[in-house]
Amino acid sequence: QQQVKQSPQSLIVQKGGISIINCAYENTAFDYFPWYQQFPGKGPALLIAIRPDVSEKKEGRFTISFNKSAKQFSLHIMDSQPGDSATYFCAASGRTYKYIFGTGTRLKVLA
Amino acid sequence: DGGITQSPKYLFRKEGQNVTLSCEQNLNHDAMYWYRQDPGQGLRLIYYSQIVNDFQKGDIAEGYSVSREKKESFPLTVTSAQKNPTAFYLCASSQGAWQPQHFGDGTRLSIL
Repeated sequence: QQQVKQSPQSLIVQKGGISIINCAYENTAFDYFPWYQQFPGKGPALLIAIRPDVSEKKEGRFTISFNKSAKQFSLHIMDSQPGDSATYFCAASGRTYKYIFGTGTRLKVLA
Repeated sequence: DGGITQSPKYLFRKEGQNVTLSCEQNLNHDAMYWYRQDPGQGLRLIYYSQIVNDFQKGDIAEGYSVSREKKESFPLTVTSAQKNPTAFYLCASSQGAWQPQHFGDGTRLSIL
């Protein structure tokens, strides 16, 4: 019940394409869903986060779509650029301070 | 600049040795966290602290110890009881529940 399942494990996209990463959770007590971007040798950096009271949140080229009934949420990167090549993690948390992280998606955007 | 500072960036441990990883934050955050990152396994929580002088075990606390004597500092000790310590260790802080966690740039620990 505490797992967050993330897919795909790796993703290759052409420059200008759309990158889509999916996550699924089981614990209905989760109500905060952030996405992080991590470059090699660096710590993860918050990209965007969503609460379940909205179905979509957009910040620049990054969009989170949230489906509460299916217990799924996804990150869409529009107009993907080579500089977006990184590892992306979804996470989920509730009233506790603890995050449960997905296992990560390694994205490569081809120039 | 506000942020989280982890040191050292690289650390080597000999067999039977304890080593301590430093984490300092100047974000005035109440909560601090330690994660271990292994390839293909995402981030796993070792310990977290919601307030000074209090901390809780995470999912993989065995072989690790922490202290939280000051709000700004949350050092992690990797003891000799941790048989597979080679990993990338990340420290984070947050203002509380439902708040984003901010990460340092990690310490990579290797065995000599």
